[in-house]
Amino acid sequence: EVRLVESGGGLVQPGGSLRLACAASEFTFSSYWMSWVRQAPGKGLEWVGSIKEDGSDKYFVDSVKGRFTISRDNAKNSLYLHMDSLTAEDTAVYFCAVSDYPGRWFSWGQGTLVTVSS
Amino acid sequence: AIQMTQSPSSLSASVGDRVTITCRASQDIKNALAWFQQKPGKAPKLLMFAASTLHSGVPSRFSGSRSGTDFTLTIASLQPEDFATYYCLQDYSFPRTFGPGTKLDIK
Repeated sequence: EVRLVESGGGLVQPGGSLRLACAASEFTFSSYWMSWVRQAPGKGLEWVGSIKEDGSDKYFVDSVKGRFTISRDNAKNSLYLHMDSLTAEDTAVYFCAVSDYPGRWFSWGQGTLVTVSS
Repeated sequence: AIQMTQSPSSLSASVGDRVTITCRASQDIKNALAWFQQKPGKAPKLLMFAASTLHSGVPSRFSGSRSGTDFTLTIASLQPEDFATYYCLQDYSFPRTFGPGTKLDIK
């Protein structure tokens, strides 16, 4: 069974940085797009960014451009989200997800909570 | 960016009811739309992709359709486990965008 497990969430001060990780198993990680999606407390889902199978293409929502970076290590079956200059508006549960064409987002992790507060 | 609107924002229904949720895209997204179900404290679960293709393991009471830029998720006969929040996602272009969600609760 496909498994995605996020880690790295926690409490960080405004202006701080954090790196989230997503460990993947039971599928050929290097063959799929991977994405991060977040959900602020009591709010809806927001797409954060996606990375192509080989890492050559990356896309981000405007609100995180220049602050967040997505990377992947296909040898380690791992996805990362590096977040800088964090603000209270970045407080959310962050999910990683795997998808293929045509838009089959077939597995999600359980999420990791990021809280930005002083 | 493509905007996704979703209606209704909330819906009260009873077990056995037929319910319909609609998403509208601000521009043509072909069939590149997925539907998700989310329960409190849990990750979203894929129900439908490519507008009308049922994801593996999803009960057949769920169905999807498209008419132009309007997309519909129908639950033929509500079951107790279907009470949740439903989201659509356009997977046509970046940035990907979700609808704001429809909360389905018990009448």
